[in-house]
Amino acid sequence: GNSVTQMEGPVTLSEEAFLTINCTYTATGYPSLFWYVQYPGEGLQLLLKATKADDKGSNKGFEATYRKETTSFHLEKGSVQVSDSAVYFCALNSGGSNYKLTFGKGTLLTVNP
Amino acid sequence: DGGITQSPKYLFRKEGQNVTLSCEQNLNHDAMYWYRQDPGQGLRLIYYSQIVNDFQKGDIAEGYSVSREKKESFPLTVTSAQKNPTAFYLCASSITRDRAYEQYFGPGTRLTVT
Repeated sequence: GNSVTQMEGPVTLSEEAFLTINCTYTATGYPSLFWYVQYPGEGLQLLLKATKADDKGSNKGFEATYRKETTSFHLEKGSVQVSDSAVYFCALNSGGSNYKLTFGKGTLLTVNP
Repeated sequence: DGGITQSPKYLFRKEGQNVTLSCEQNLNHDAMYWYRQDPGQGLRLIYYSQIVNDFQKGDIAEGYSVSREKKESFPLTVTSAQKNPTAFYLCASSITRDRAYEQYFGPGTRLTVT
């Protein structure tokens, strides 16, 4: 079956530090890959996505590249801000019979001023 | 503005009572989903529906029920058979049956059962 593995959190960084959150996946076929962000007490918001190998998704300074050879979709940001503090979820959709999303367990990021 | 609404934001119930969580979307999406979120466990799929009057069990459907009588509405009932109902519940929808399209999420309902 499909699965997503994210790096364990929590991750604590100082403002302007470089961020990497690792994500690897196992899936049949050619999945689409997503990063979602969840701020405290809220629902999930789509951060970025990539639908085929070598695609790079980007949004608000965050980037992730779909690497089929390493089955990875690592999230990066060059300079984090306090407002980036949130939980980040990696997810995939491989289609099939139900088009459901398979999520990683989430990574809590705290950015200190 | 288009989006997904869930109500109420917080819900408190006594053990043994059924409770229904509301989910409405005005995005004209065909597919709708219910997820449960527990600390440290990510999101787990409860039920999903691809079209009106049809729905399928997800990974953790026991103790839950749903209906899909209208395209825009997908209410979830947490029954007394659900052994551990206290959780954060998220409703989502998506535009079509296509793996490339993202799911849009509502703000969630936090259910506490005592």
